[in-house]
Amino acid sequence: AQKVTQAQTEISVVEKEDVTLDCVYETRDTTYYLFWYKQPPSGELVFLIRRNSFDEQNEISGRYSWNFQKSTSSFNFTITASQVVDSAVYFCALRANTDKLIFGTGTRLQVFP
Amino acid sequence: GAGVSQTPSNKVTEKGKYVELRCDPISGHTALYWYRQSLGQGPEFLIYFQGTGAADDSGLPNDRFFAVRPEGSVSTLKIQRTERGDSAVYLCASSPTGLAGGSGANVLTFGAGSRLTVL
Repeated sequence: AQKVTQAQTEISVVEKEDVTLDCVYETRDTTYYLFWYKQPPSGELVFLIRRNSFDEQNEISGRYSWNFQKSTSSFNFTITASQVVDSAVYFCALRANTDKLIFGTGTRLQVFP
Repeated sequence: GAGVSQTPSNKVTEKGKYVELRCDPISGHTALYWYRQSLGQGPEFLIYFQGTGAADDSGLPNDRFFAVRPEGSVSTLKIQRTERGDSAVYLCASSPTGLAGGSGANVLTFGAGSRLTVL
């Protein structure tokens, strides 16, 4: 079975704080892909990053960074120096040996000025 | 088109009515997906098309739900005898190919969704 767990339902921070969104996944496949999507209040899902199971290097893109650890089946997402515009719901998703993209339940991030 | 287009953006209907939701994928994308997102939940897979054929419809909740993609481009999700529990945002996504196309890494690009409210 494939599953994505985002245990944090909602996180609130003040601008400029760092925040980490957790994602734990389950799959028996050795080849799989992990994704993060952002869903702002407008509702459209926006792709942020894709990572394959053979590449455990962490990635940084501006204020965003991702920590992929196969040993703990986690793919956590950190926003450094958060901004109000980062307020959104963030979804972690898994795609293994199937065409389905399986989403977690999402983490709502609220950044207050 | 430049992005995935979904119409209508909002649909209010009465219990028992029939509704159609339309998705126009990115031009050239052969894979098309329908998802349903209920309030406070993550998107839930409904059906996936590779070209004209439904490659995986395991997510359709029951036989009131049906989807077609007759020419391999535009898709229509059809819901018969709507129920209040069908109220949700229906999301469509497309990607260049599906897994069969050789790359599970393909990113799904989503439309803005069709919000369905069944009274």
